Amino acid sequence: SQTIHQWPATLVQPVGSPLSLECTVEGTSNPNLYWYRQAAGRGLQLLFYSVGIGQISSEVPQNLSASRPQDRQFILSSKKLLLSDSGFYLCASWAQGALGANVLTFGAGSRLTVL
Amino acid sequence: AQSVTQPDIHITVSEGASLELRCNYSYGATPYLFWYVQSPGQGLQLLLKYFSGDTLVQGIKGFEAEFKRSQSSFNLRKPSVHWSDAAEYFCAVGDGGATNKLIFGTGTLLAVQP
Repeated sequence: SQTIHQWPATLVQPVGSPLSLECTVEGTSNPNLYWYRQAAGRGLQLLFYSVGIGQISSEVPQNLSASRPQDRQFILSSKKLLLSDSGFYLCASWAQGALGANVLTFGAGSRLTVL
Repeated sequence: AQSVTQPDIHITVSEGASLELRCNYSYGATPYLFWYVQSPGQGLQLLLKYFSGDTLVQGIKGFEAEFKRSQSSFNLRKPSVHWSDAAEYFCAVGDGGATNKLIFGTGTLLAVQP
């Protein structure tokens, strides 16, 4: 089964500073990868998804960007953070699970606080 | 476009009581439906999923859900709640296409009282 690693787990950054959140996946190859953001009381919002290396689709206009430099690596970035970028960021991977059943698996998340 | 509604933001039940969490979806074709659970500060864990076939789906931790096409619903149920079930529950819908994007509801926070 696949395992998703996210880091850092917790991050406190000042407004205007850059951001880099990293996600790596083990146990599968060529997965679809996703970045979700969870803000209090707002559920999970899909930010970006990728179906392959260098292929990034953005779901909502925002201050963030994503990149996929390797098959199992997905990075979320910002050049200048805004207060509204605070939240819990979850990386997810869609790959074939046991018995051929598709499964969306989540990492443990990265909590970002922008001050 | 797909959408998911979880009308109950917060539910409190007594330990041992039955539970039903509501989920309604909007999607033009046969949806892929999911329930996930999230403990505080953690990622999401899949409870169960529906792709096709039997409309009553069994999941982990004693949970089940029933797909009702006529009502566009996929409600989650458990006959007897345990204190460890206290968490936030998310319903999601996907189109099963090449992107496999899932759209999530806003979640239902479950509290369990002794």
